[in-house]
Amino acid sequence: GENVEQHPSTLSVQEGDSAVIKCTYSDSASNYFPWYKQELGKGPQLIIDIRSNVGEKKDQRIAVTLNKTAKHFSLHITETQPEDSAVYFCAASRSGGGADGLTFGKGTHLIIQP
Amino acid sequence: EAGVAQSPRYKIIEKRQSVAFWCNPISGHATLYWYQQILGQGPKLLIQFQNNGVVDDSQLPKDRFSAERLKGVDSTLKIQPAKLEDSAVYLCASRKGAAGGGYEQYFGPGTRLTVT
Repeated sequence: GENVEQHPSTLSVQEGDSAVIKCTYSDSASNYFPWYKQELGKGPQLIIDIRSNVGEKKDQRIAVTLNKTAKHFSLHITETQPEDSAVYFCAASRSGGGADGLTFGKGTHLIIQP
Repeated sequence: EAGVAQSPRYKIIEKRQSVAFWCNPISGHATLYWYQQILGQGPKLLIQFQNNGVVDDSQLPKDRFSAERLKGVDSTLKIQPAKLEDSAVYLCASRKGAAGGGYEQYFGPGTRLTVT
């Protein structure tokens, strides 16, 4: 089955700086890669996603890049703000029909220092 | 549009007792998932439904866990009997489904289960 590795487990950055979280996956058939933000006591919130036919996607301060050959994808957050502090999860799946449950990484605790 | 609803939000039981969780997905979403999230880890898929049929239950511990989605809308997940290692947050997610829907899964707030 799919295996997703996520690094780092904890990331501390100064407010206003950029943050980068990296993930690798093992199943070359995976074609959908979402990123979730989870705050304490809440369910995961989808913040951005990318499909395997796209190399990069951007939404305001958040961007995701995908390298299918190397089987890795990354989340980039620019101009970080205190409200960006949370746990971030990457995930992968074979989507588009049939069994398409997500396989998650172990998460990155992002801390924004004022 | 209302999100995924789950209840109860918290539950404390003793080992060997039984417990049930309820999920109401986003209106019109045909696909429903149950995930287990142990403290400090990412969610792990337990079961996936498409309407009222099971698509994937390969990671569901079937000796103690069961789930149903009888009318293709609400779903319940049951644990009987519970073990200490079942202490986790149980998350429900839904997706519009293959017919014209995207790949996005939307999660509910979860039910935090503590087994003592």
